[in-house]
Amino acid sequence: DSGVTQTPKHLITATGQRVTLRCSPRSGDLSVYWYQQSLDQGLQFLIQYYNGEERAKGNILERFSAQQFPDLHSELNLSSLELGDSALYFCASSVRPQNTEAFFGQGTRLTVV
Amino acid sequence: GDSVTQMEGPVTLSEEAFLTINCTYTATGYPSLFWYVQYPGEGLQLLLKATKADDKGSNKGFEATYRKETTSFHLEKGSVQVSDSAVYFCALSDLNTDKLIFGTGTRLQVFP
Repeated sequence: DSGVTQTPKHLITATGQRVTLRCSPRSGDLSVYWYQQSLDQGLQFLIQYYNGEERAKGNILERFSAQQFPDLHSELNLSSLELGDSALYFCASSVRPQNTEAFFGQGTRLTVV
Repeated sequence: GDSVTQMEGPVTLSEEAFLTINCTYTATGYPSLFWYVQYPGEGLQLLLKATKADDKGSNKGFEATYRKETTSFHLEKGSVQVSDSAVYFCALSDLNTDKLIFGTGTRLQVFP
């Protein structure tokens, strides 16, 4: 158990809908990262937050947004969903903003139908 | 930009065989290097890491040495087990970009 908790584990939704994925980092970790893992794109970095502030942005679509709350949990919001958004979404956390060692949650499998 | 290149899989081995999974990187600066492992249905777990040139990371019988001259971080294990079957990801972290950049992953299948 990495200590990073992601909910829900599975999500099935229709095209055009909006979903929210939740992540609770390890106790004491201030930095949260979101990654998307799909068969054709591999593991893609989406966005990073550190202590409530956006720190780094990767290949995140405009339809996607995220935030980190004062209690350090984070949410990834995906809207106007398309079939191609079906993927595993991972959250990871680390103590420092520099990603020297990250601990991953078990992921949320999103299926868009 | 920074990138990681891994050998394509799947790598298929018999139990007790020697394993090498190649990883090379392109980066500005001096990144930390990692190997992560993903077992079926699970998230990624850190397997080992090295933070500077000539460092050797090791864990659970796996080893990798940070080679700056060849920009490589190859993963090795002397004797694989069926339980090592998983997908292995090489990654780098640049202190300036705050991102972990992953390779495409290499699937290892070990048969008894």
